[in-house]
Amino acid sequence: EAQVTQNPRYLITVTGKKLTVTCSQNMNHEYMSWYRQDPGLGLRQIYYSMNVEVTDKGDVPEGYKVSRKEKRNFPLILESPSPNQTSLYFCASISGGSYNEQFFGPGTRLTVL
Amino acid sequence: SQQGEEDPQALSIQEGENATMNCSYKTSINNLQWYRQNSGRGLVHLILIRSNEREKHSGRLRVTLDTSKKSSSLLITASRAADTASYFCATDGMDSNYQLIWGAGTKLIIKP
Repeated sequence: EAQVTQNPRYLITVTGKKLTVTCSQNMNHEYMSWYRQDPGLGLRQIYYSMNVEVTDKGDVPEGYKVSRKEKRNFPLILESPSPNQTSLYFCASISGGSYNEQFFGPGTRLTVL
Repeated sequence: SQQGEEDPQALSIQEGENATMNCSYKTSINNLQWYRQNSGRGLVHLILIRSNEREKHSGRLRVTLDTSKKSSSLLITASRAADTASYFCATDGMDSNYQLIWGAGTKLIIKP
């Protein structure tokens, strides 16, 4: 079954404690993306990756890092989380080609105290 | 960045009625897509319409696209309680490199 998995699904942490949210896809897609979703602001892209070792900033990259060492994995790293990073995070894997469908993970609800 | 705007922001209708949501965008596009999001969950792709298409159907869904007005509409016919969700439109521009630009969504509530 084609899917995107994220872990953890829920996380409560404290300011400054480094954390990583993992994302993995089994569809062999080259393009992956991270979003955050906040009430009234919709989906905002944090980072995206066009392929292994190719990443670029989205609209709201400050405070985040990503890596793409393998095609299937695209972890999101918060080196020093702050309360304004409390949000719902989604990883997406994109089919590419002319049919640019995005497959979303189940989401990670992060609370930074 | 966001360029899509959905209208209305929220819509509440009776089960069995039709629901229409609109999306406007600002720049030229290759495709426009509609996604559904159940509360707190990941978005699910519903339908894609290409810039050279005017109308597309998928089951109870009908999507129209008017590139001259830079707008699209999503019609859900014979609504069901399970259609309760937020609906988002997303566009990819001519030079987007697979990036999608998202609207803020329409929250649809189907009353039994």
